[in-house]
Amino acid sequence: KAGVTQTPRYLIKTRGQQVTLSCSPISGHRSVSWYQQTPGQGLQFLFEYFSETQRNKGNFPGRFSGRQFSNSRSEMNVSTLELGDSALYLCASSLDSSFNTIYFGEGSWLTVV
Amino acid sequence: AQTVTQSQPEMSVQEAETVTLSCTYDTSESDYYLFWYKQPPSRQMILVIRQEAYKQQNATENRFSVNFQKAAKSFSLKISDSQLGDAAMYFCAYTIQGAQKLVFGQGTRLTINP
Repeated sequence: KAGVTQTPRYLIKTRGQQVTLSCSPISGHRSVSWYQQTPGQGLQFLFEYFSETQRNKGNFPGRFSGRQFSNSRSEMNVSTLELGDSALYLCASSLDSSFNTIYFGEGSWLTVV
Repeated sequence: AQTVTQSQPEMSVQEAETVTLSCTYDTSESDYYLFWYKQPPSRQMILVIRQEAYKQQNATENRFSVNFQKAAKSFSLKISDSQLGDAAMYFCAYTIQGAQKLVFGQGTRLTINP
């Protein structure tokens, strides 16, 4: 059974650009969440989607957005990139709202220059 | 707000010995889950062990076990017979029932000395 798959794994963007990251959850998982990991702030929750609806949102500016498709795949988008957005972005999936074991992908490394 | 605190930024242990990583959390919820995740240099978060708050019995997974003290809001991880492959960052995490939003501690970097 395939795990959580994230693409691209590595990318470099210029300040002011936008970026889209993709995540395919474990087959059958309906909840997808996103986290940002930086040396200074640690692991921070971005948002969570379940059945194409955003259920939870972390404390990030509106430049960070996401969506979930009918096949549970999810994308997150960051617009007007800033140097501080350089981070490892981790996607995670879980079966449903009552089964709280959350599995992570390998992450997408974003560098903003 | 829920918080998770790992007071040991770094720990080291000799191979084959036992080490305990500490974690405390703060919550007013009664129904929640606690996790330990391992993050090796590859940076993928790997689930080590999970504990449901309503279960009094401490969770165990092979060489990994927890000491869950609900009243004290403490959730420590014990690694027995430490192996070189156990070297990683370990994160304690919390989520409430019905939510898929993990709150993480700051992490503990574990070094295994051969």
